[in-house]
Amino acid sequence: ETGVTQTPRHLVMGMTNKKSLKCEQHLGHNAMYWYKQSAKKPLELMFVYNFKEQTENNSVPSRFSPECPNSSHLFLHLHTLQPEDSALYLCASSQEPYTGANTGELFFGEGSRLTVL
Amino acid sequence: GESVGLHLPTLSVQEGDNSIINCAYSNSASDYFIWYKQESGKGPQFIIDIRSNMDKRQGQRVTVLLNKTVKHLSLQIAATQPGDSAVYFCAEKRSGNQFYFGTGTSLTVIP
Repeated sequence: ETGVTQTPRHLVMGMTNKKSLKCEQHLGHNAMYWYKQSAKKPLELMFVYNFKEQTENNSVPSRFSPECPNSSHLFLHLHTLQPEDSALYLCASSQEPYTGANTGELFFGEGSRLTVL
Repeated sequence: GESVGLHLPTLSVQEGDNSIINCAYSNSASDYFIWYKQESGKGPQFIIDIRSNMDKRQGQRVTVLLNKTVKHLSLQIAATQPGDSAVYFCAEKRSGNQFYFGTGTSLTVIP
């Protein structure tokens, strides 16, 4: 149990569907992240939120829309996805900035396995 | 371009032997590095970290070495056990709170 919970764990959707991935962290952290993990590729950073504000968007297509209503919850809204978007989507959280009192590491959820048909 | 990469995609070791997993990075401004372990069907789990003002850090059965001169990071696992079989990633922290990961090395422990 890492303190970061992702739902659903598995999702199958058609290209015209709209679905959302949910992430909740119970660690009191102030930063949350979405990463995409595809086979034989490094984890790709998609979005970063600090104190609910989006601070990074790594050229992610607009069919992925993040939402961060508070520091504990993060959503990834999915719309008109492509088969190549099939991957494991990982949510993570951390406490920023590093002050010496915290380690600054990322805590990951178990991921949401997405399959786009 | 800047990248975080691993020298070998797979590594097989006999149970009880020591394992060494290597990682190269190219961003000299990175000041924090982490090793993660990912088992099948799970998210990455923190193993050990090191800051750029250190060159060695030890944990329980694991040691991380940082060579800033050649931008090289390594993870040493002592007395490797079957439960150590997993994919291992190194990550570097660049500006702000952006963490970038290498491709990963798949470690297989042979009983």
